[in-house]
Amino acid sequence: AQSVSQHNHHVILSEAASLELGCNYSYGGTVNLFWYVQYPGQHLQLLLKYFSGDPLVKGIKGFEAEFIKSKFSFNLRKPSVQWSDTAEYFCAVIMEYGNKLVFGAGTILRVKS
Amino acid sequence: NAGVTQTPKFQVLKTGQSMTLQCAQDMNHNSMYWYRQDPGMGLRLIYYSASEGTTDKGEVPNGYNVSRLNKREFSLRLESAAPSQTSVYFCASILDRGYNEQFFGPGTRLTVL
Repeated sequence: AQSVSQHNHHVILSEAASLELGCNYSYGGTVNLFWYVQYPGQHLQLLLKYFSGDPLVKGIKGFEAEFIKSKFSFNLRKPSVQWSDTAEYFCAVIMEYGNKLVFGAGTILRVKS
Repeated sequence: NAGVTQTPKFQVLKTGQSMTLQCAQDMNHNSMYWYRQDPGMGLRLIYYSASEGTTDKGEVPNGYNVSRLNKREFSLRLESAAPSQTSVYFCASILDRGYNEQFFGPGTRLTVL
């Protein structure tokens, strides 16, 4: 069965620090990959997605992610975080032409001002 | 477009009570999903409906039933609520398989005493 691993459950950074959140998945076939963000008290919103093409994907609010097929990874990055990036971040994977999205356990990011 | 809507936003039940969570989408999406979100466990799929008239179990279906009433609506029923069902429930929808992102509703926070 597919699974998604997010390496850190809690991350605390100071403003302007760089961010990298790890995500690895277990599935050998073609997948579509997503990062969702959930701000406190809100529902999930899409940050970025990868379906095909350039493995470096840019999303909203300055986030980007790199798909490395050989490592089954889709890590999320931001060069300089802001206090408003405090949220929980979820990596998710769906098999190509599949209809079930599998989520990682989430990473809670707290940015200190 | 309202997107994905859910009712109610909050609910408190006593053990053994029943209730139905409602979800509707106005994007003409084919597939709809119910997830529960628990701290440190990400989102886990309860049930999904790949198309009108079909429903399938997800990862954690025990204690729940669903109805895909029509293309727009997908309800989740707890027949006899248990404290272990205290969670935040999210409904989501997707246009079709594979190459589309899921859109999430605002969530229902359920507490079972």
